Amino acid sequence: GAVVSQHPSWVICKSGTSVKIECRSLDFQATTMFWYRQFPKQSLMLMATSNEGSKATYEQGVEKDKFLINHASLTLSTLTVTSAHPEDSSFYICSALPGQAMNTEAFFGQGTRLTVV
Amino acid sequence: DAKTTQPPSMDCAEGRAANLPCNHSTISGNEYVYWYRQIHSQGPQYIIHGLKNNETNEMASLIITEDRKSSTLILPHATLRDTAVYYCIVRGWGGGSNYKLTFGKGTLLTVNP
Repeated sequence: GAVVSQHPSWVICKSGTSVKIECRSLDFQATTMFWYRQFPKQSLMLMATSNEGSKATYEQGVEKDKFLINHASLTLSTLTVTSAHPEDSSFYICSALPGQAMNTEAFFGQGTRLTVV
Repeated sequence: DAKTTQPPSMDCAEGRAANLPCNHSTISGNEYVYWYRQIHSQGPQYIIHGLKNNETNEMASLIITEDRKSSTLILPHATLRDTAVYYCIVRGWGGGSNYKLTFGKGTLLTVNP
């Protein structure tokens, strides 16, 4: 299957700093990528939908100024957690949809474990 | 809100078939049923999807009832590595937000030796 790579796999940062997470589709072009957050023992919660060349669409309750999303190319989307605080510690996961295909599965990255201390 | 209902947990003996049910009574005509699984601390892995016909691939089989209000994912010969949370997701296609994957709580399948 198609490969989606996230980097880094884990990161520890100090409170108040910003952290950037990259999501790359390695062998296909993805006009649409999704960012999820998952707290321990909970399900994935969709944060935003990222479309190449346009502004991301955020889910209700997700602060767009805190979670900056950039989808500058067909193979790369980034999520920047600005002014991180301990409550932002979570497992962040991206997924990508190949091109304009309908009725196709989304592929997920391996996730990034963020710990804010 | 997720459009599916799944049992929170199930157990299965290694080598046996695992049958995971999913209720999606409000599914509409253009919505597909997708199954993903998530092994601890990893990203979800695609398993299978279908619209109204039963589907089979190298990982599993998907049985969708004729009225499409429920489905069953079948792992024919479960192994210990199949222990994971299994998510049944209803997803539309087309424009707008229909193509989003919205995860419910899923079923924790534990395969026992």
